[in-house]
Amino acid sequence: QTVVTQEPSFSVSPGGTVTLTCGLSSASVSTTHYPSWYQQTPGQAPRTLIYTTNIRSSGVPDRFSGSILGNKAALTITGAQADDESDYYCVLYLGSGIYVFGTGTKVTVL
Amino acid sequence: QGQLQESGPGLVKPSQTLSLTCTVSGGSVTSGSFYWNWIRQPAGKGLEWIGRVYSSGSTNYNPSLKSRVSISLDTSKNQLSLKLSSVTAADTAVYYCAREVAATTSLFDYWGQGTLVTVSS
Repeated sequence: QTVVTQEPSFSVSPGGTVTLTCGLSSASVSTTHYPSWYQQTPGQAPRTLIYTTNIRSSGVPDRFSGSILGNKAALTITGAQADDESDYYCVLYLGSGIYVFGTGTKVTVL
Repeated sequence: QGQLQESGPGLVKPSQTLSLTCTVSGGSVTSGSFYWNWIRQPAGKGLEWIGRVYSSGSTNYNPSLKSRVSISLDTSKNQLSLKLSSVTAADTAVYYCAREVAATTSLFDYWGQGTLVTVSS
């Protein structure tokens, strides 16, 4: 079974920078996995941040950016703000119409 | 702008079939521009992709659920449905429907608010 692993939690200071990663158990993550990133606050549906590796969804601040770092997908928050405190999930496309979500990262801003 | 709303029983008995509906407004499920997905989230846990259906009716499913899941469209009502058979407590979760842009892999651009389904006798 394919597992997509994210860091369980991160803490960042206001104004600081944090990079979350998204790794694949069976292979290196590449652009062909079309990594996307979603932000979720408690009790709410996820919100699209980044898709196709590095394209920001409409209305997403430019402090959020996506990339491939080494063999993983990455989401970087530059200049973190209090309302960035959320859970973040990556999604990878495995081909043949199959998706898998990452395990999620809880980001605390303090 | 797309809007999606899940509905269905909030309580299902073990071994029975979970059935949910997602009503789509602001767009047509017959549009070839989108896939229609189901995603779930147990309380306090992460998101799990269940599967998707295209306007043609073709489907893709999570391999770990494939033997128990069925997703289909009701074009007359502009809805998609989810059926999950032989449920256990492990299927207790908030279930979301989400629209995926067909031309842009991995972009789930609109989500419903989710509906909680509890599996219990």
